[in-house]
Amino acid sequence: DGGITQSPKYLFRKEGQNVTLSCEQNLNHDAMYWYRQDPGQGLRLIYYSQIVNDFQKGDIAEGYSVSREKKESFPLTVTSAQKNPTAFYLCASWTRGLELFFGEGSRLTVL
Amino acid sequence: AQSVTQPDIHITVSEGASLELRCNYSYGATPYLFWYVQSPGQGLQLLLKYFSGDTLVQGIKGFEAEFKRSQSSFNLRKPSVHWSDAAEYFCAVVLPSGGYQKVTFGTGTKLQVIP
Repeated sequence: DGGITQSPKYLFRKEGQNVTLSCEQNLNHDAMYWYRQDPGQGLRLIYYSQIVNDFQKGDIAEGYSVSREKKESFPLTVTSAQKNPTAFYLCASWTRGLELFFGEGSRLTVL
Repeated sequence: AQSVTQPDIHITVSEGASLELRCNYSYGATPYLFWYVQSPGQGLQLLLKYFSGDTLVQGIKGFEAEFKRSQSSFNLRKPSVHWSDAAEYFCAVVLPSGGYQKVTFGTGTKLQVIP
């Protein structure tokens, strides 16, 4: 079945370390998104990509980086510059039915 | 400024009772409207969506939503809540365009169902 796979599901990081969250889709969707979720704040857009080798900053891109070398993959790197990285991270793609389809999320905890 | 408001942070209902979750938006034009549900520690699942046409939209799991242009609202309803409906619900909007689709989410309403 087609879907979005996010890994790892849980990740612990020490302060000052960069970490990369994986997002892979086999839906053949062009546009992909990364959201951050914090309690009581809904989902906030970090980065999005409409096509391979192109991506744009969202509302809270500082301290994050992405790449889009393949249509199927849109990894997110949380850098040491991100001041408060502990959060739930969601990857999504825009479907032909004109809606967002989400992965299961990755929870990052900074120790 | 464009915004999506879910005024109720937390709602508690008894199993079998009816449910209405509120969503209001502030946009210059009528956006596309969505309701998503999220179980703890999981991704979001689409319940229903509205683009145009009939203002009463049916979704999965027995949910429906009504678009009211005059009130800029898109409230979610269910006639009889089941314990498995306990989750967090998000309203989302997007202004249709030919290019990038920026989806804006409300802050969510957490639903608790009591026996």
